[in-house]
Amino acid sequence: DIHMTQSPSSLSASVGDRVTITCRASQSISSYLNWYQQKPGKAPKLLIYAASSLQSGVPSRFSGSGSGTDFTLTISSLQPEDFATYYCQQSYITPPYTFGQGTKLEIK
Amino acid sequence: EVQLVESGGVVVQPGGSLRLSCAASGFTFHDYSMHWVRQAPGKGLEWVSLITWDGGSTYYADSVKGRFTISRDNSKNSLYLQMNSLRTEDTALYYCTKASSSGWLNFDYWGQGTLVTVSS
Repeated sequence: DIHMTQSPSSLSASVGDRVTITCRASQSISSYLNWYQQKPGKAPKLLIYAASSLQSGVPSRFSGSGSGTDFTLTISSLQPEDFATYYCQQSYITPPYTFGQGTKLEIK
Repeated sequence: EVQLVESGGVVVQPGGSLRLSCAASGFTFHDYSMHWVRQAPGKGLEWVSLITWDGGSTYYADSVKGRFTISRDNSKNSLYLQMNSLRTEDTALYYCTKASSSGWLNFDYWGQGTLVTVSS
């Protein structure tokens, strides 16, 4: 199975900051990498798919990059509604489609 | 509007069985693969199972293989998860998710989840 490792596990930042979260796969997954945002008590929401494609309706301050084993999610200017937990997920070829352990983004 | 509504989550004893349901609407259900994803209390997301659009292929996480069975009824726009031999570690919020139509697999819609608690 492909193992996904996110860093950091938690992060404190301020409104307006630029934030980067990284995700590393245990083997190459090409660009089969998704990012989700989850707020407390809510279902996850798809932000980025195929490593860098922005899901419809997601603000352009979110961006994704990377391929192979190393990926990043960047929020260019944090807004109050962005404080949440972020998960990466690999969807390379066959299941299991594993998630990273999550990165909790908190207000500084 | 796409809607996924899960039901069936309850408190069950270890070793017991349960069937979760997911009612889908707002899209052509029989065109899409569907998945179950779970989240233990205070923990991260775990992919559980996949069923292809026609029910012809199913896949499971190793943690549930041989105990859980995914199925669907396209005539009823419904997805199911039969859970047998439940363990305390199966306690989680279970989400029904829809696979996107893009060539890159992702979960573009999620239900609100149904809580399964396995406890004596």
